[in-house]
Amino acid sequence: DSGVTQTPKHLITATGQRVTLRCSPRSGDLSVYWYQQSLDQGLQFLIQYYNGEERAKGNILERFSAQQFPDLHSELNLSSLELGDSALYFCASSVKAANTEAFFGQGTRLTVV
Amino acid sequence: EDQVTQSPEALRLQEGESSSLNCSYTVSGLRGLFWYRQDPGKGPEFLFTLYSAGEEKEKERLKATLTKKESFLHITAPKPEDSATYLCAFVGSGGGADGLTFGKGTHLIIQP
Repeated sequence: DSGVTQTPKHLITATGQRVTLRCSPRSGDLSVYWYQQSLDQGLQFLIQYYNGEERAKGNILERFSAQQFPDLHSELNLSSLELGDSALYFCASSVKAANTEAFFGQGTRLTVV
Repeated sequence: EDQVTQSPEALRLQEGESSSLNCSYTVSGLRGLFWYRQDPGKGPEFLFTLYSAGEEKEKERLKATLTKKESFLHITAPKPEDSATYLCAFVGSGGGADGLTFGKGTHLIIQP
C-alpha cells in the first residue's frame, strides 16, 4: 500500500458527461501528480500541483482540469467525455516539488460508453 | 525531443535465469531516472531513483545501473513473483514539466 488513496476505483459514464476523480496523497506529501494510462499511449503525465498551486502541465486536454485543496487532496475533472477518454487515471504524490520519486495510487478505471 | 525506449517489449524467463532490461533515453538535462514495477490493474510501485552516470542501486534480486544514455535493470535468479511490467521513466530539464516521462515498459514473465 503506497498510502495514496484514489476514489472511485471504477467509473462508467456516457459520452458528453462530466466526472470528478479524487485523490488523497500520502501523509506529509505536498506534491500531487495526475497521469493517464491507456493501452496505446502508456503512462502520460497530465498535471502537477504543489502545496495548492499548479506547478507543471503535461499532455492535459482543455476539457480536463484539476485542483488541489488546502487539505492537499486533489480532484481531476473530466468534461465533455469522449470514448477515447476511457483509460486508467492515476494520482501520485511526493514530498518535494521536483526530482524525486513519486508514489502512485491504485487508479480509477474510467469507461466512457 | 526527450524520449525513452525500453527493450525488450516482453521477456519470458525460467525461474533462476538472470537477465537485464534496457532503458535508452534521450533527454536535455537528466534530473532523475526512475524504475517502477506495475502489476496488472494496479498502480506503479516505486523501485529505484538514479541521478548520475555510474550510480547503482540494489534491492533484493534487482539492481539498477545508469550510464549517460542507458539504464539497465538487472534481475538475478528471478522468482515467479517477479513477474510484472517494469517501467523506466525520467525527469528532464526541458519544458519545465516535473512530471515523469515513461517508457512503454518491459512485460516480464518468470516461469516456475
